[in-house]
Amino acid sequence: QKEVEQNSGPLSVPEGAIASLNCTYSDRGSQSFFWYRQYSGKSPELIMFIYSNGDKEDGRFTAQLNKASQYVSLLIRDSQPSDSATYLCAVSSWDSNYQLIWGAGTKLIIKP
Amino acid sequence: DGGITQSPKYLFRKEGQNVTLSCEQNLNHDAMYWYRQDPGQGLRLIYYSQIVNDFQKGDIAEGYSVSREKKESFPLTVTSAQKNPTAFYLCASSGPSRGQFFGPGTRLTVL
Repeated sequence: QKEVEQNSGPLSVPEGAIASLNCTYSDRGSQSFFWYRQYSGKSPELIMFIYSNGDKEDGRFTAQLNKASQYVSLLIRDSQPSDSATYLCAVSSWDSNYQLIWGAGTKLIIKP
Repeated sequence: DGGITQSPKYLFRKEGQNVTLSCEQNLNHDAMYWYRQDPGQGLRLIYYSQIVNDFQKGDIAEGYSVSREKKESFPLTVTSAQKNPTAFYLCASSGPSRGQFFGPGTRLTVL
């Protein structure tokens, strides 16, 4: 059974600090890694994807991938109250026909 | 504007009734998906389709049916066999990048 694990939270971070969200996955053959943001009552929105080991930066967001340790993380710098949401991690591999395996999400609260 | 539309936004179902949720995309994506999300829970895959006239069951297909007669459209029917259908239903599509893009969702409530 392929699994993606996330701490459900809530993770509370002061405004302006760095929020660090983590995700571990069980399938060593995983190739593509995605972070989605979901506001309460809304649909998920793709914010980052990463395919290679290392870091990928986009504005205030950085995705980090470590395939040897089978984890992927999302860093949010200069956290804003508008970053308060649930963050979903999703993973895919060629042998699952690139279906996404989803984590249950981490609820992030940015405190003003 | 390219995107995915779902209708209706809210839907109410009576006991024993079948209802159909609409999903349309103009992103020219081959693959389309239906998910169910219960309060405080993650996404569970109901059905997916990678090409017109073909679809596969996901993890929780019982009580649901789909069709894929056009590339742009992937409607989901919630049948009376689905005993606990109250949930948030999300349609998504994906292209070559493999990331999935979601519609705004339909919130279904059983009366």
